[in-house]
Amino acid sequence: AQSVTQLDSQVPVFEEAPVELRCNYSSSVSVYLFWYVQYPNQGLQLLLKYLSGSTLVKGINGFEAEFNKSQTSFHLRKPSVHISDTAEYFCAVTPLGGYNKLIFGAGTRLAVHP
Amino acid sequence: DSGVTQTPKHLITATGQRVTLRCSPRSGDLSVYWYQQSLDQGLQFLIQYYNGEERAKGNILERFSAQQFPDLHSELNLSSLELGDSALYFCASSVEGGYNEQFFGPGTRLTVL
Repeated sequence: AQSVTQLDSQVPVFEEAPVELRCNYSSSVSVYLFWYVQYPNQGLQLLLKYLSGSTLVKGINGFEAEFNKSQTSFHLRKPSVHISDTAEYFCAVTPLGGYNKLIFGAGTRLAVHP
Repeated sequence: DSGVTQTPKHLITATGQRVTLRCSPRSGDLSVYWYQQSLDQGLQFLIQYYNGEERAKGNILERFSAQQFPDLHSELNLSSLELGDSALYFCASSVEGGYNEQFFGPGTRLTVL
């Protein structure tokens, strides 16, 4: 079985500051990893994904994440946030050969203040 | 706009009732997934269909059922509703098997009174 832990339920940050949202996972098999964003009253949108290859993954809106297999982590970073980045961020995994079902963390609410 | 549509947007009903949520996947997508988002359980995978056949099941209650029709739209049926079934229900679609990006619809918010 797989599980995902997002270590912070809320992250407040000032505009133009850097941010890191932390994600750890547990799995007995190899997994693919994802970060999704949910803006208020909307569905989820894929920010980035790690399937294989380079452990540093770049996504949309200036976000990037680094896969660390030894620490089973996939932290999301942005060097300078904007007010418009205020949203809920979800880390998710799917086991290889697991028919693509996503297992989500509890989410991190990013609040960007002026 | 992801291209996935869900109807209705909001649904308010009473305990013990039955409701049907509808999802139309993106054009060309063969797989449909249903997820439930609630305050206490978070985002949970319920069930997946691929080209009309059930492919994977998650934490779906026996009171819930789903199907995918020949035109690839899907319906999630929730019966004998309880207060705890109040949640946001998302549908997602992807092209086919292997790993492919899932595109999420805007969700249906179900309130059980």
